[in-house]
Amino acid sequence: DIQMTQSPSSLSASVGDRVTITCRASQGVSNYLAWYQQSPGKVPSLLIYEASTLQSGVPSRFSGSGSGTDFTLTISSLQPEDVATYYCQKYNTAPGTFGQGTKVEIK
Amino acid sequence: QVQLVESGGGVVQPGTSLRLSCAASGFAFIDYAIHWVRQAPGKGLEWVALISYDGGIKYYVDSVKGRFTISRDNFKNTLFLQMNSLRPEDTAVYYCAKSRGSFPGYLDSWGQGTLVTVSS
Repeated sequence: DIQMTQSPSSLSASVGDRVTITCRASQGVSNYLAWYQQSPGKVPSLLIYEASTLQSGVPSRFSGSGSGTDFTLTISSLQPEDVATYYCQKYNTAPGTFGQGTKVEIK
Repeated sequence: QVQLVESGGGVVQPGTSLRLSCAASGFAFIDYAIHWVRQAPGKGLEWVALISYDGGIKYYVDSVKGRFTISRDNFKNTLFLQMNSLRPEDTAVYYCAKSRGSFPGYLDSWGQGTLVTVSS
């Protein structure tokens, strides 16, 4: 099965900072890559699908890029409400493996 | 709007069984694949199982194969997860999630989750 590895596992940044999270697949998944946000105590929600398409209602400061094995989630200007754990997931085939998550905090 | 409501969680002893349900509304249930995803306390998300729109295709994560069975009733707009031979490591919040896009799809709507605790 394809493994998904995120880095870093956690990060702390200041409000307004640009934040980048990477996700690497052990084999190519084309652009079948989604990103989810899970705020503390909340249910996960979809941020990005097809590697770079923003889900309706998601602020434009979030963006995604990549294809094949290497993907990036970027928050262009970190806001307090972005404190959350972010997960990538590949969905080209089952199993729909998630990355281990990246916890984002405010410095 | 899309609503997914899980039920059936609880505290059970190792080796016993539990059946989770996920009641769907606000969309054409019969048109979509549905997934189960779980999250152990303080841990990350783990994909568990998937069923196609018509129930004809099912997939499972290796750790639950032979113990868990996913099914659906398209007349009652309900998804199920039959969990047998439960282990302490199955302790988690179980979410059902609606799929979108090319099969197996990404997860565009999630339920609130139901907690399963396996403990003696």
